[in-house]
Amino acid sequence: DTGVSQDPRHKITKRGQNVTFRCDPISEHNRLYWYRQTLGQGPEFLTYFQNEAQLEKSRLLSDRFSAERPKGSFSTLEIQRTEQGDSAMYLCASSLKGATEAFFGQGTRLTVV
Amino acid sequence: DQQVKQNSPSLSVQEGRISILNCDYTNSMFDYFLWYKKYPAEGPTFLISISSIKDKNEDGRFTVFLNKSAKHLSLHIVPSQPGDSAVYFCAASAVQGAQKLVFGQGTRLTINP
Repeated sequence: DTGVSQDPRHKITKRGQNVTFRCDPISEHNRLYWYRQTLGQGPEFLTYFQNEAQLEKSRLLSDRFSAERPKGSFSTLEIQRTEQGDSAMYLCASSLKGATEAFFGQGTRLTVV
Repeated sequence: DQQVKQNSPSLSVQEGRISILNCDYTNSMFDYFLWYKKYPAEGPTFLISISSIKDKNEDGRFTVFLNKSAKHLSLHIVPSQPGDSAVYFCAASAVQGAQKLVFGQGTRLTINP
């Protein structure tokens, strides 16, 4: 399968712990996005990479959140000192430069208890 | 501030009939619009898009209509099939090829046999 892959699919963590999620985009896609989706809402943009450069971050992304895309391939999203409000589905998407249609992974569902 | 709004949380349609999903937006800078479909436990899947220079785009059973003056778009599915039962998200971007999408809250479509 050559789609967007996210790992893990589910994560339950205690408040205050750090978590890290991984996203492997479609191999030829140079753009990678992170979105967050809470219950009853549509996905909300968090951040975006073109190759290895992080070009935009949403104001939703507090200082506890950091994302990387070393070598312009896979990406990681880390949340430090998790809070209950961080509980959500974290979606990764990728696209070709110049294309608005992004292809989404299945997401990582985070539950902070 | 919800820039993209889907005011109907749910819609129920009989198999074989037309399904019409609606979306309103407030940001006049939006220039490119997309519809995504989402099944449970999966990420959103791109369905169809339309540029603001057009007022209609058709792909098989799916047609998207754009009314720029009213800042309104709609997705028509005809004929509706049971496999169309999913949550549908409307999304917008400032320009085609832009880095991020702004999503509506979604409409849950149920096709009844």
